[in-house]
Amino acid sequence: IAGITQAPTSQILAAGRRMTLRCTQDMRHNAMYWYRQDLGLGLRLIHYSNTAGTTGKGEVPDGYSVSRANTDDFPLTLASAVPSQTSVYFCASRKDWVGTDTQYFGPGTRLTVL
Amino acid sequence: GNSVTQMEGPVTLSEEAFLTINCTYTATGYPSLFWYVQYPGEGLQLLLKATKADDKGSNKGFEATYRKETTSFHLEKGSVQVSDSAVYFCALISAQKLVFGQGTRLTINP
Repeated sequence: IAGITQAPTSQILAAGRRMTLRCTQDMRHNAMYWYRQDLGLGLRLIHYSNTAGTTGKGEVPDGYSVSRANTDDFPLTLASAVPSQTSVYFCASRKDWVGTDTQYFGPGTRLTVL
Repeated sequence: GNSVTQMEGPVTLSEEAFLTINCTYTATGYPSLFWYVQYPGEGLQLLLKATKADDKGSNKGFEATYRKETTSFHLEKGSVQVSDSAVYFCALISAQKLVFGQGTRLTINP
């Protein structure tokens, strides 16, 4: 069982370019999440999806979009990257959006925008 | 809104030392509380959790007790090992989503 996979592992991107970070889980979890991790700020929620077909905005959604066409995949798109989006991005999932089930995290994507 | 505050790091200890990482929270009601650990180059993993006041979560020798009187969930371990070197995050559930503290980097020297 792979759990959550993310791609790419790392990427260097020119400002203004479009980029999609991929996230796939094989646990049939309903809820999925995207976070960014910046030094001294912990993890901040970008977007989330409680079930396939629905999405919502987190704490820092500006400049990012997501889609949830099916249960397994939850891609994050930067339409026009800016240097402030340089960060480590983590995808996460849990069985349901309610309750206290364990939330699982992917290995992360390190993104540098120049 | 609900929030979590952790002691600032980094924290550096010698092997077999006693560890405490402080965590306090601000919340309406009594949210479930969590400690996550992030080893170098990896994503976060759940370390332990407590879902109601006075509960004690424990795992891998780590413990944390949910104290509603002091709104705290401090992480403790009696004897740390080099392999415990990682970043530790305290978190709570707010509006059905995890809210994290800023993380505390722990380094254990042999």
